Amino acid sequence: AQSVTQLGSHVSVSEGALVLLRCNYSSSVPPYLFWYVQYPNQGLQLLLKYTTGATLVKGINGFEAEFKKSETSFHLTKPSAHMSDAAEYFCAVTQRSGANNLFFGTGTRLTVIP
Amino acid sequence: NAGVTQTPKFQVLKTGQSMTLQCAQDMNHNSMYWYRQDPGMGLRLIYYSASEGTTDKGEVPNGYNVSRLNKREFSLRLESAAPSQTSVYFCASRPGEPQNTQYFGPGTRLTVL
Repeated sequence: AQSVTQLGSHVSVSEGALVLLRCNYSSSVPPYLFWYVQYPNQGLQLLLKYTTGATLVKGINGFEAEFKKSETSFHLTKPSAHMSDAAEYFCAVTQRSGANNLFFGTGTRLTVIP
Repeated sequence: NAGVTQTPKFQVLKTGQSMTLQCAQDMNHNSMYWYRQDPGMGLRLIYYSASEGTTDKGEVPNGYNVSRLNKREFSLRLESAAPSQTSVYFCASRPGEPQNTQYFGPGTRLTVL
């Protein structure tokens, strides 16, 4: 069975500060890992994903995440927060074969303080 | 290329009423999914269709039915709506192996009174 834990349902950072959103997964085999962003009253947009290869993956809007198998983590970071980063962020995992159903974390709402 | 579209955007029902949520994608994707989003719970899979002609239950299928009308369209039906089905519903599609990214529609906000 797969599951995702996102630590912190709400995170606040100052504009220009480091953004760190935490994600840990539980899976019997290393899964595919995703970060999605949801802006108010909109659908989900893919930020980045890890499938194979380099464990540090870069996404849109300056975000990146590092897959750490030993820690079963896939934390999302951005060196300098911008006001436009305020949104809800979801970590998700899927198995490497079959129906590829996504299992989502409960989400982290990011607030950026001017 | 509109991507994934959903209708309606908003809907208010009374308990016991029925309705169908429509989803269509124009990306020629094989797989389609229905999720519901509730505060503090993330998104949970209701039903999915791995390919045209097949459907399978997800994590929370009770009270719902689906139809994969053709490759483009995947509808979600509530036969007798209940207040517990008040939620935001998202449809998603995926190209198929080896592509593993799901693309989401804008959502339908449903309130059941």
